[in-house]
Amino acid sequence: SQQGEEDPQALSIQEGENATMNCSYKTSINNLQWYRQNSGRGLVHLILIRSNEREKHSGRLRVTLDTSKKSSSLLITASRAADTASYFCATEAGTYKYIFGTGTRLKVLA
Amino acid sequence: GAVVSQHPSRVICKSGTSVKIECRSLDFQATTMFWYRQFPKQSLMLMATSNEGSKATYEQGVEKDKFLINHASLTLSTLTVTSAHPEDSSFYICSARVGGAEAFFGQGTRLTVV
Repeated sequence: SQQGEEDPQALSIQEGENATMNCSYKTSINNLQWYRQNSGRGLVHLILIRSNEREKHSGRLRVTLDTSKKSSSLLITASRAADTASYFCATEAGTYKYIFGTGTRLKVLA
Repeated sequence: GAVVSQHPSRVICKSGTSVKIECRSLDFQATTMFWYRQFPKQSLMLMATSNEGSKATYEQGVEKDKFLINHASLTLSTLTVTSAHPEDSSFYICSARVGGAEAFFGQGTRLTVV
């Protein structure tokens, strides 16, 4: 399977703490994206990082990419209860289709 | 950003009937659209790639006669689940690409077959 792996599978933290999720993939990529999915809903695009980039920021989100290790991480700082959701990484390897990771279920406790 | 609209958001159908799900790019033309399936608490699995004006490319293990995909125009792709069975109950999501840029996703369709 080409599907990426994410860890942890589930993460429970207190409001105000930082949450870090990791994504590993198998093939060389053009870019990697992170998405959020609230329970039973569609996907919300968070951030895209291209293969020639190492780090990107967007508000409370920080994404890193290490192409030598074929891995990426998503850091959410100062988490809020509203951040509770599933987070997926998705990689595009030049075939114009995205392959999703297994996802991390984040629960932020108020 | 670009908007992808998926319809319906929820549908319940009887076993043996067919259901059509539409995916529209509202403010851009999408030569390629993708259909994903998601089981509860699992990730999204790519089912097929839909190209305007040509046959869809299905991923391994996806029955093309079961999941009919039509991409008749640059703004519309449809997925028809034929002769639906309870095991086809799932969350189906489409996405569309604009050239080499990011993919935009629809809000998904929750299909329940009873």
